[in-house]
Amino acid sequence: KQEVTQIPAALSVPEGENLVLNCSFTDSAIYNLQWFRQDPGKGLTSLLLIQSSQREQTSGRLNASLDKSSGRSTLYIAASQPGDSATYLCAVSNDMRFGAGTRLTVKP
Amino acid sequence: DGGITQSPKYLFRKEGQNVTLSCEQNLNHDAMYWYRQDPGQGLRLIYYSQIVNDFQKGDIAEGYSVSREKKESFPLTVTSAQKNPTAFYLCASSIGAGGGQPQHFGDGTRLSIL
Repeated sequence: KQEVTQIPAALSVPEGENLVLNCSFTDSAIYNLQWFRQDPGKGLTSLLLIQSSQREQTSGRLNASLDKSSGRSTLYIAASQPGDSATYLCAVSNDMRFGAGTRLTVKP
Repeated sequence: DGGITQSPKYLFRKEGQNVTLSCEQNLNHDAMYWYRQDPGQGLRLIYYSQIVNDFQKGDIAEGYSVSREKKESFPLTVTSAQKNPTAFYLCASSIGAGGGQPQHFGDGTRLSIL
């Protein structure tokens, strides 16, 4: 059974810092990996989706990488802003297994 | 604007009562999903539907039931058999099922026990 782990559980950084969030999974036979953002009391907003044949995806200040052989993905956030404060979750498909998320706080 | 609408935003259940959570989408997506989220945890799949009149159990289907009579609608009933229903419930949809397609989420329903 696929297991997805996100480390750290919480992260606090000063504004302007570059940061990396980690996602690891136990079964490398995946269709894709998706990164989401969740604001308190809200649903999930899709940030990036990486197909299994891809190595990375970029959107603005966000860059997500995928290394299936090692069972790892990273989400890189450049020049962080207070508005980036949220919980970030990764999910791996075939069957949409979610990690518990990393709660990010960016301090002004 | 296309999207997913969940209602109500907050719901309270009495002991022994069944309650139904609504999920409607106007994205013309074939696949729809229900997840449960507990504090500090990721999402767990309750049920999913790949097409009208068809649905499959997820990891934690016990105590829940669904129907898919229309493409746009996928209501979830939390039955009295679900002994620990307090959680945040999220509905999602995708163009197709089976992986490979991004999922779009509603804003959730928070269910509590009175």
